[in-house]
Amino acid sequence: KQEVTQIPAALSVPEGENLVLNCSFTDSAIYNLQWFRQDPGKGLTSLLLIQSSQREQTSGRLNASLDKSSGRSTLYIAASQPGDSATYLCAVILTGGGNKLTFGTGTQLKVEL
Amino acid sequence: NAGVTQTPKFRVLKTGQSMTLLCAQDMNHEYMYWYRQDPGMGLRLIHYSVGEGTTAKGEVPDGYNVSRLKKQNFLLGLESAAPSQTSVYFCASSQQPWRNTEAFFGQGTRLTVV
Repeated sequence: KQEVTQIPAALSVPEGENLVLNCSFTDSAIYNLQWFRQDPGKGLTSLLLIQSSQREQTSGRLNASLDKSSGRSTLYIAASQPGDSATYLCAVILTGGGNKLTFGTGTQLKVEL
Repeated sequence: NAGVTQTPKFRVLKTGQSMTLLCAQDMNHEYMYWYRQDPGMGLRLIHYSVGEGTTAKGEVPDGYNVSRLKKQNFLLGLESAAPSQTSVYFCASSQQPWRNTEAFFGQGTRLTVV
C-alpha cells in the first residue's frame, strides 16, 4: 500500500526566508506527483504537477523536484511571504492506480512578519 | 466562473439520519470525485465518476452512495449517518484523469454526526 509522508507537520519561519517542504512515498511506481495548497476552511488549490519522467517543475517562487528512485519530492519556496501561510499537501498517483490520488497529511506553514 | 460548488457548507446530523451532499461544477468536466479529510489521515477517496451515469468505489466507500445523473452534478448520500462519518467532505472535478491535468476542488462541507 502506498504511503505518503510529509515532514515536518508544522513549520514557522520569518518572512523572507527560503524554505523546503518534504514529501516521501513508499512505492516508486508513480505516474505523477502533485503539490496542493489548502487555506483554512477552504478547498485545495493545485500548485505544481510533476510527471514521473520529469525532475522538477517551477511556478513563480515555487520549485518542486522529484526523485522517484528515492521516493522523495521537495517543494522549495523562495523569499517566503505571510500570504504563503497555508497547509501544503503532496499527492501521488500510482501507475496502474487509476484515478486514485494518495495524499500526505500535509505541512502547516506559518510565515511570520 | 463558479468552478466547483458544494452544498451545504456545514451540517449537523443525529446518528441514523440521512442526508445528501451536492457537488456542482460548471467546467464541463468528465471526472468528479468525493474525498473526506480527517485529522492525521489526509484526504481519502470515497467514490468517483468518470462520466455521466457512471460511479466507482474509492478507498473508503462503505456507508456512502453516489449518483451522477447529470454531468455537472455528483451527489454523495449518507443513508444512516454514524459518528465515524464526522469529517470534512471535498468534491473535485477534472477534465481528464488526474494523471494528466490538475483537478479543481470545492470549498468543502463540514459534517458533524452526534
